[in-house]
Amino acid sequence: KNQVEQSPQSLIILEGKNCTLQCNYTVSPFSNLRWYKQDTGRGPVSLTIMTFSENTKSNGRYTATLDADTKQSSLHITASQLSDSASYICVVSGPLEGSASKIIFGSGTRLSIRP
Amino acid sequence: EAGVVQSPRYKIIEKKQPVAFWCNPISGHNTLYWYRQNLGQGPELLIRYENEEAVDDSQLPKDRFSAERLKGVDSTLKIQPAELGDSAVYLCASSLRDRYNSPLHFGNGTRLTVT
Repeated sequence: KNQVEQSPQSLIILEGKNCTLQCNYTVSPFSNLRWYKQDTGRGPVSLTIMTFSENTKSNGRYTATLDADTKQSSLHITASQLSDSASYICVVSGPLEGSASKIIFGSGTRLSIRP
Repeated sequence: EAGVVQSPRYKIIEKKQPVAFWCNPISGHNTLYWYRQNLGQGPELLIRYENEEAVDDSQLPKDRFSAERLKGVDSTLKIQPAELGDSAVYLCASSLRDRYNSPLHFGNGTRLTVT
């Protein structure tokens, strides 16, 4: 069964600290993995995309890693800011096959940054 | 570019009443999705359109849910009659199918409360 599991479910850290969110998946075949940020009351917004051949990708203070062999990804946030408080959702996609493409969402990690 | 626009932002109805949600995708995006998101969960696909054709509606509860995308642009999602368990956020997203690894662009959703 195609699944995406994220941990922890929720996390509270102090402003300025670093944190790492985890994503494990069983989606096969694999095309890409995205991390989305969802602010309260808003729709998710894409932060990064990782394809099979990529190990690390950065977007400002966000760094995503991918280990396609173990089917694990992480999102590392450096020097956290209050605006980083949000849910972070891991999304794994299969390749386009005709008109169909599997897009599997994780349940998200709820991150709260405390001043 | 203008983002995905959804309306209304909030809707409160009594059970057994009908309700409709509207979505205007990003101009030129041929793929449109309707998702349902429960609190603390990731979005769950209800229906996916390629232009005006519904290519994946396997998760749409067809006894009470219906959707349409006339002319392959705007879309509406309807529930009739609503049940208490339908309370959730309904998200619309659009993407460019022909662009490899195109991200989903989400609207801010409609929060439905059924009393």
